[in-house]
Amino acid sequence: NAGVTQTPKFQVLKTGQSMTLQCAQDMNHEYMSWYRQDPGMGLRLIHYSVGAGITDQGEVPNGYNVSRSTTEDFPLRLLSAAPSQTSVYFCASSRFSGQYSGNTIYFGEGSWLTVV
Amino acid sequence: ILNVEQSPQSLHVQEGDSTNFTCSFPSSNFYALHWYRWETAKSPEALFVMTLNGDEKKKGRISATLNTKEGYSYLYIKGSQPEDSATYLCALNYGGSQGNLIFGKGTKLSVKP
Repeated sequence: NAGVTQTPKFQVLKTGQSMTLQCAQDMNHEYMSWYRQDPGMGLRLIHYSVGAGITDQGEVPNGYNVSRSTTEDFPLRLLSAAPSQTSVYFCASSRFSGQYSGNTIYFGEGSWLTVV
Repeated sequence: ILNVEQSPQSLHVQEGDSTNFTCSFPSSNFYALHWYRWETAKSPEALFVMTLNGDEKKKGRISATLNTKEGYSYLYIKGSQPEDSATYLCALNYGGSQGNLIFGKGTKLSVKP
């Protein structure tokens, strides 16, 4: 039972480098999202998607790009890494039944990113 | 900006103690409340999704209640065990764009044997 799979689990980047965090889910979920977790803060939404070809910004989108070419995959790109992007990143997916639903959200195990 | 507050921030209990913690949210912006259990280096695990005022849900020794009129939810753990040590997160679906969630900062529970 794969669920939501994120890679890499750990990454160290130099300031200015770019990289892609990969996320894949095998539950045929329409909704996928990326969050970041910083000390003393709740999970904050970076970008989300409600289906292939549809993406939108969350609360903290600056410095990140996403695309959704398939239902299964939702990669997160850091364009030019900055120390402020040092964080734990979580990918998540769920069924999508509209904005008022109570569908369970399934998370990946997280990607620890350090930018030096 | 909507705020979801969790208290306490951290909690240390002895094995066998029962404990509870609170999630507070704006009652005028409620559509669903989620509870998650998160151990570091693992995926946050869904515990409950609550949608109705007065809802009470149970999973083993863990239960949760919901009061949407006053804007709070309680999570209870009966007879805490060391394996219950984790951070417990609540998240509000406030009816915003596409049902996105707003997360609280979590309550970190440590259970000593």
